[in-house]
Amino acid sequence: SQQGEEDPQALSIQEGENATMNCSYKTSINNLQWYRQNSGRGLVHLILIRSNEREKHSGRLRVTLDTSKKSSSLLITASRAADTASYFCATDPQGAQKLVFGQGTRLTINP
Amino acid sequence: GAGVSQSPSNKVTEKGKDVELRCDPISGHTALYWYRQSLGQGLEFLIYFQGNSAPDKSGLPSDRFSAERTGGSVSTLTIQRTQQEDSAVYLCASSLMGPGNEKLFFGSGTQLSVL
Repeated sequence: SQQGEEDPQALSIQEGENATMNCSYKTSINNLQWYRQNSGRGLVHLILIRSNEREKHSGRLRVTLDTSKKSSSLLITASRAADTASYFCATDPQGAQKLVFGQGTRLTINP
Repeated sequence: GAGVSQSPSNKVTEKGKDVELRCDPISGHTALYWYRQSLGQGLEFLIYFQGNSAPDKSGLPSDRFSAERTGGSVSTLTIQRTQQEDSAVYLCASSLMGPGNEKLFFGSGTQLSVL
């Protein structure tokens, strides 16, 4: 089964609003990453947060990590039509030599 | 090259035929990963290479799937006797050293369609 699970599965908002996506995982991790995918092809790395970090910012992105709840959130502020994409969280479980991806959140920004 | 390159970008094959998918990672990246993504789904881990060896082959779905990497660079994923359920996008990624506090760089994938 997938280590990470995002919710919601799909999110549709108006341009300019904030978008929040959540990710839950099952086992202890070394770090958690968020990726973006356009048109079902290659993924692009957005941000990495280590297990000893609680919050991280990058431009309009804000990521939080709560290891006690095994969850993370990705906030995109002041959304733009170009933010329309699928967003995936990925975890690096301790002891596992791989990055495990969730099912993704499909985000649609309406102009 | 500047990024991870995959070929072909699209492949249509008949059930029962063998296919080879190629991945050319970023120069100098020692770690290489193969993932599979079915339509509208998340990424399914297939295999991870560190150099030419594969410490983790746990994700390969069946013995019809195999992968190799030569010269610490190019990797080939081979699917024998393809089935319709093999239809998916096959994504390759590379990273500088390996899993752990590193981001992955992805190629654009190979869309495999088995008729």
